[in-house]
Amino acid sequence: AQKVTQAQTEISVVEKEDVTLDCVYETRDTTYYLFWYKQPPSGELVFLIRRNSFDEQNEISGRYSWNFQKSTSSFNFTITASQVVDSAVYFCAHLTSGTYKYIFGTGTRLKVLA
Amino acid sequence: DVKVTQSSRYLVKRTGEKVFLECVQDMDHENMFWYRQDPGLGLRLIYFSYDVKMKEKGDIPEGYSVSREKKERFSLILESASTNQTSMYLCASSATSGGLNEQFFGPGTRLTVL
Repeated sequence: AQKVTQAQTEISVVEKEDVTLDCVYETRDTTYYLFWYKQPPSGELVFLIRRNSFDEQNEISGRYSWNFQKSTSSFNFTITASQVVDSAVYFCAHLTSGTYKYIFGTGTRLKVLA
Repeated sequence: DVKVTQSSRYLVKRTGEKVFLECVQDMDHENMFWYRQDPGLGLRLIYFSYDVKMKEKGDIPEGYSVSREKKERFSLILESASTNQTSMYLCASSATSGGLNEQFFGPGTRLTVL
């Protein structure tokens, strides 16, 4: 069965520090998608990125970057020069292609201190 | 602006009451989902629906039922609320084709059962 592990329960950093959130997944699927979502204090999860299993290219979007490595079954998320507004709970998720069942990790709470 | 709305942000009910949580999306999405979110457990899927009147059990359907009579509306029903159903309930929707398979989430309903 698929599984997503976010071993870091909570991380605290000082503003402007870089921080990496880890995500390790288990799957026997050959075609699947990986996602990151952000849940700010308001409660609504917001989609950040999707990666499919055939695309291991890293992606950068502003201060956010994602490193997908199939060899280690990891899909890590780095925030560069963190800001207080980055404080949130971040979820990693897996979806088998052709299905509707998303598997979420338990989330990492990021606190960015001013 | 695409939206998923949930009928209540906060709800307090008594043990044994029948509870209805409503979710409406305006994106014409085929798929709709109900999750509960508990500390340390992440998001767990209760039920999902891939079409009107169609539903499938998720990982924790016991004590819950759902109804989808119209494409835009997906209701979660607690037949006889119990204290262990105190939780944050999140509704989400996604498209079957097009897009990135990402889910769009509502703001959540924090339910307390006394």
